Amino acid sequence: DGGITQSPKYLFRKEGQNVTLSCEQNLNHDAMYWYRQDPGQGLRLIYYSQIVNDFQKGDIAEGYSVSREKKESFPLTVTSAQKNPTAFYLCASSRGRSEEETQYFGPGTRLLVL
Amino acid sequence: AQSVTQLDSHVSVSEGTPVLLRCNYSSSYSPSLFWYVQHPNKGLQLLLKYTSAATLVKGINGFEAEFKKSETSFHLTKPSAHMSDAAEYFCVVRTTGFQKLVFGTGTRLLVSP
Repeated sequence: DGGITQSPKYLFRKEGQNVTLSCEQNLNHDAMYWYRQDPGQGLRLIYYSQIVNDFQKGDIAEGYSVSREKKESFPLTVTSAQKNPTAFYLCASSRGRSEEETQYFGPGTRLLVL
Repeated sequence: AQSVTQLDSHVSVSEGTPVLLRCNYSSSYSPSLFWYVQHPNKGLQLLLKYTSAATLVKGINGFEAEFKKSETSFHLTKPSAHMSDAAEYFCVVRTTGFQKLVFGTGTRLLVSP
């Protein structure tokens, strides 16, 4: 099956702890994205990567970090600097930079603070 | 800057009746527009997209949307609602350059028997 997988489905973070959310795709897509979703709001872009070993900040990058060492993987770390991390996190991917490309989404990870 | 406004936070319909979810966009050029659907605690699924071809766009599960430049609208419709249509729907515009998506705040569709 081709698609995007995110793990874990639920994640709990303690105060001062960094946690890492996994995103893997086997679609051979060049571009990958991380979004945050809060209740009653649309998705907001955290980081995106157009190609391996390159990534850019989105609209709400503060308190987050990413890496893109492999084409199929784009992990997101929520650092202790992110003061309000409770949200639903969605990873997406697309083939590349073409104006015609569609973004496909994973099933999401819900992060909760203990 | 591009933006979208979803005019209703909740829409309630009865099963078998038509569905209308409203979306207005703001863009300084001809935009690419999308509708995505999200079922509870799930990721987003693409329903349909408009990319400057035909103004009436047909999507999956019987949904369609019409791009109206004069009204800056991209409303989503379905002739007959099904219980499985109950979900949150997002209208989305894509910005120029790299494909950054700008999301509306969502419309929750409730379908009653």
